[in-house]
Amino acid sequence: DAGITQSPRYKITETGRQVTLMCHQTWSHSYMFWYRQDLGHGLRLIYYSAAADITDKGEVPDGYVVSRSKTENFPLTLESATRSQTSVYFCASMRGYGELFFGEGSRLTVL
Amino acid sequence: GQQLNQSPQSMFIQEGEDVSMNCTSSSIFNTWLWYKQDPGEGPVLLIALYKAGELTSNGRLTAQFGITRKDSFLNISASIPSDVGIYFCAGRGDLIQGAQKLVFGQGTRLTINP
Repeated sequence: DAGITQSPRYKITETGRQVTLMCHQTWSHSYMFWYRQDLGHGLRLIYYSAAADITDKGEVPDGYVVSRSKTENFPLTLESATRSQTSVYFCASMRGYGELFFGEGSRLTVL
Repeated sequence: GQQLNQSPQSMFIQEGEDVSMNCTSSSIFNTWLWYKQDPGEGPVLLIALYKAGELTSNGRLTAQFGITRKDSFLNISASIPSDVGIYFCAGRGDLIQGAQKLVFGQGTRLTINP
């Protein structure tokens, strides 16, 4: 089915480990985004990408790395996970003028 | 940076009641959007508004793009149990202000007593 898929849906890791969250879309939307959602903070933008090989920082980029070698994939990497990065991560793609389509989320716990 | 003030933060209502929530900003937006998030899921787009003054309905939902372009409201009529969730407003400025990024409100958590 067309849409956005995220993997893994649930991940438990330890402080200092590298973690990669995957995001794949089937619509060929140019723009893709990574948000984190925490209680009391709503949705905060980590990184976004306007097209393949074009990425830029959002509101809270520290500790995260992204890449976009293909239009359909936008992985998010935590190079050395910290407890403060325990969160729910949402990937999204954009159609038209602001219509975001979100994945189901990746729930990350850093011990 | 741009911020959206969404209110109320939470609502506890009886089934069948109408609901109203709004978002305000000190900045002008070109697009206002309303999303709903069910527990354990990602947000889903409910309504998109593209013109100042625009009033748009989607079933029992009605949203308006404020004439000043700095606010928007969402109304839900005759609430039902499946309306439970978190509602987010989002605004999009012009490309100079930050590409195709959206600014999100903090969300309104709706709880319905049967």
